[in-house]
Amino acid sequence: DGGITQSPKYLFRKEGQNVTLSCEQNLNHDAMYWYRQDPGQGLRLIYYSQIVNDFQKGDIAEGYSVSREKKESFPLTVTSAQKNPTAFYLCASSMWTGANYEQYFGPGTRLTVT
Amino acid sequence: AQSVTQLDSHVSVSEGTPVLLRCNYSSSYSPSLFWYVQHPNKGLQLLLKYTSAATLVKGINGFEAEFKKSETSFHLTKPSAHMSDAAEYFCVLGYNNNDMRFGAGTRLTVKP
Repeated sequence: DGGITQSPKYLFRKEGQNVTLSCEQNLNHDAMYWYRQDPGQGLRLIYYSQIVNDFQKGDIAEGYSVSREKKESFPLTVTSAQKNPTAFYLCASSMWTGANYEQYFGPGTRLTVT
Repeated sequence: AQSVTQLDSHVSVSEGTPVLLRCNYSSSYSPSLFWYVQHPNKGLQLLLKYTSAATLVKGINGFEAEFKKSETSFHLTKPSAHMSDAAEYFCVLGYNNNDMRFGAGTRLTVKP
């Protein structure tokens, strides 16, 4: 089955610790994205990558870092510099349909930092 | 500026009655518009999309949306709500440059 996997589904960390969220896709999509979702809000873009070894900051990149060493993988590290890390994190990938980019989403990781 | 506004943060309907979720957009370019659905603690699933072809777009699970350029709207409708439709719905504005703008979401509650 083709799709996007995120692990783990739930993650708990102590304040001051870095934590890495996994995102893997087997859809052969070039572009991948990380979004943050807070209660009652839409999705906000953290980082995106349109090609291997290249990535760009989104609207709320401060306190986060990413890498894109393989086409299939786009891990997100939430650093201790992120002031409010508790949130639901969604990974997505996209393909060009000929008219637009259509995004496919993973199941998400809920991060709780105490 | 490119933006999308979902006019209702919460909509409540009775099972079997019509659903209307409203979305307005602002765009300098010819937009691509999407509706996604999110069930609790899940990822987003694409319901339907508009890409400058037919203005009335049919999606999965009986949903459809009509693109109205004169009203800059892309409202989502369904003739008869089902309990399984209860979820969060997002209207999304997309561009050829791979940028996507999400609305704040509308939570749909379906009463028995």
